[in-house]
Amino acid sequence: DVLMTQTPVSLPVSLGGQVSISCRSSQSLVHSDGNTYLHWYLQKPGQSPQLLIYRVSNRFSGVPDRFSGSGSGTDFTLKISRVEPEDLGVYYCLQSTHFPYTFGAGTKLELK
Amino acid sequence: EVKLVESGGGLVQPGRSLKLSCAASGFSFNDYWMGWVRQAPGKGLEWIGEINQDSSTINYTPSLKDKFTISRDNAQNTLYLQMSKLGSEDTAIYYCARELSYWGQGVMVTVSS
Repeated sequence: DVLMTQTPVSLPVSLGGQVSISCRSSQSLVHSDGNTYLHWYLQKPGQSPQLLIYRVSNRFSGVPDRFSGSGSGTDFTLKISRVEPEDLGVYYCLQSTHFPYTFGAGTKLELK
Repeated sequence: EVKLVESGGGLVQPGRSLKLSCAASGFSFNDYWMGWVRQAPGKGLEWIGEINQDSSTINYTPSLKDKFTISRDNAQNTLYLQMSKLGSEDTAIYYCARELSYWGQGVMVTVSS
């Protein structure tokens, strides 16, 4: 299975600040079709996960441009600028290039 | 509005079976892959598997392939997860998802005697 390593585990932030979350995979996530199937989710407390970014850098419907994704191959980053209270929760990366699909262990974004 | 509502969860004894349902609305169900993801209490997310539009392709995470069966009824706009030989390790919230883009609110399954 592809191992997805997310860092940091916990990320204290001040409102209005900027943060980055890293996600590294144990093998390249470039699919034979040329796409890279790396996605980012936010799970707010007591809620189901919600898709933020799909295929590395595409914002899902309704996601503010404060969220941006980048990376290639095995190394990916989610950046959140001007952090707002509704951004707090656990962020997960997911790879759906290789079976079985695998998630990172999560990064908890919390207030300083 | 895309809506996914899981049901069928609850308390089940070890070794028994349980079937979850996911009722879909707000979109053309038979145009999309559907899947299941679970989350043990206080833990991360685990992908269970997915099924294509006409049920001709079903993919599972290998560790669950012999225990879990995914199916769908396009006439009823419903996705299913049949779980057998349940153990305490299967205690989790089970989410259905449309192509991992839209998720339901989840249903709790507790395996305990």
